[in-house]
This record gives sequence, C-alpha cells and structure tokens, in this order.
Amino acid sequence: GENVEQHPSTLSVQEGDSAVIKCTYSDSASNYFPWYKQELGKRPQLIIDIRSNVGEKKDQRIAVTLNKTAKHFSLHITETQPEDSAVYFCAASGSGGYNKLIFGAGTRLAVHP
Amino acid sequence: SAVISQKPSRDICQRGTSLTIQCQVDSQVTMMFWYRQQPGQSLTLIATANQGSEATYESGFVIDKFPISRPNLTFSTLTVSNMSPEDSSIYLCSVDLAGGPGELFFGEGSRLTVL
Repeated sequence: GENVEQHPSTLSVQEGDSAVIKCTYSDSASNYFPWYKQELGKRPQLIIDIRSNVGEKKDQRIAVTLNKTAKHFSLHITETQPEDSAVYFCAASGSGGYNKLIFGAGTRLAVHP
Repeated sequence: SAVISQKPSRDICQRGTSLTIQCQVDSQVTMMFWYRQQPGQSLTLIATANQGSEATYESGFVIDKFPISRPNLTFSTLTVSNMSPEDSSIYLCSVDLAGGPGELFFGEGSRLTVL
C-alpha cells in the first residue's frame, strides 16, 4: 500500500547549523508533498509544501526539494534557531479520489544554543 | 485559514465505554479527515468524511469501532466505541479548504486516556 518513510527519526544540531530531513514515498501518483511542524502539545502546522511540477521551493530559511524519478523529497533548514526545535512530519498525497495525506513517522529536531 | 474547534479537548474514559468527539469548522468544507496520533507517533488517517456520503475508512479501521457522522458542511463527529487502553491517543480533526490535495488545517486534538 501507500507508504512514506522518513529519516532520521531524531536530529540534533547546533544553533546556526543546517538540518536536512529526507522522505521517500511509494505511490508514483502522489503529486503533493507538504511538511508539517508540530511543537510539543500543539497541533501540526504546515511550514512548506511542493507540488510535482516543481523541483524546488524556498521560503526564507526553509527549502524543499523533490526528485520524482527517485520518489524522494527533502526538507532543508538553514541557520537553525532554538525555536526550530520540534517534530517535523513529511507527507505525500495518496490515491483514492479524495486527496488524503499519508504522513511519515516524524523527525524530532533539537537545536542547541 | 480555518478555525477548527474540537470537543472534548481531553477525557479519561473507562474500558468498554464509548466517547464521541465533535469537530466544528468556521467555514463550509467538502472534505474532513480524522487522524489518530498515538503517543510519540505519527499521524494515521482513520477515515475521510464527506458530507452526504458515508465515510471512507482506511485499512485497519472499521465503522463499527469508529462510526463517523457528517450532517453538514461545517460539522463532524467521531465516536470511539468499546474503548480499550490501546485506544488511548490524540484524535485530530482536519480539513482541506482547497478541495485537495492541499494544506490541512488541524483542530487542537482530543486527548483520550482509557483506563
């Protein structure tokens, strides 16, 4: 069935360093790839997304790249700050006619001052 | 964006009982999604609820255990039936304003603890 794998499960960086999180998906029909940030005790919130007709998208310190041939996409955070500490989830759109999202397992990012 | 209200925000339930979670959206939406997030885990889709039709359940979830109602375009309920400790989880309602696939807006979640 549809599956999204996410790595690493935990990531620890020093403030100012870059962080990269990678995801692979199984459904070649997936065409929408969002990234969500979930702070402790809060709801998930979208931070960036990309559609299959685009290879890269950037929003200030955050960028996402997509390789449809290899079926993988990545989140890049530059100049990390302590407030970037959270759990990040990638997702891919699923098939079935109602546009559901399948989420990866999540990456717990810790940014140390 | 969307404002999504879920009730209850948390509850402690006894084994064998059922609980209904309500989700109210401040705008009319076609698709509403119910997710489960077990402690420290990812978001797992339970079902998609479209107004005017029966909910569509994902593999591993059945209507008898998680009956869903969708009486109009701004409201939905999820019932967790005959609860066991394994049902202890956060249940999240979400909506896609664009008609999909697009950004999902989530409610704050309902944290259920089953004793």
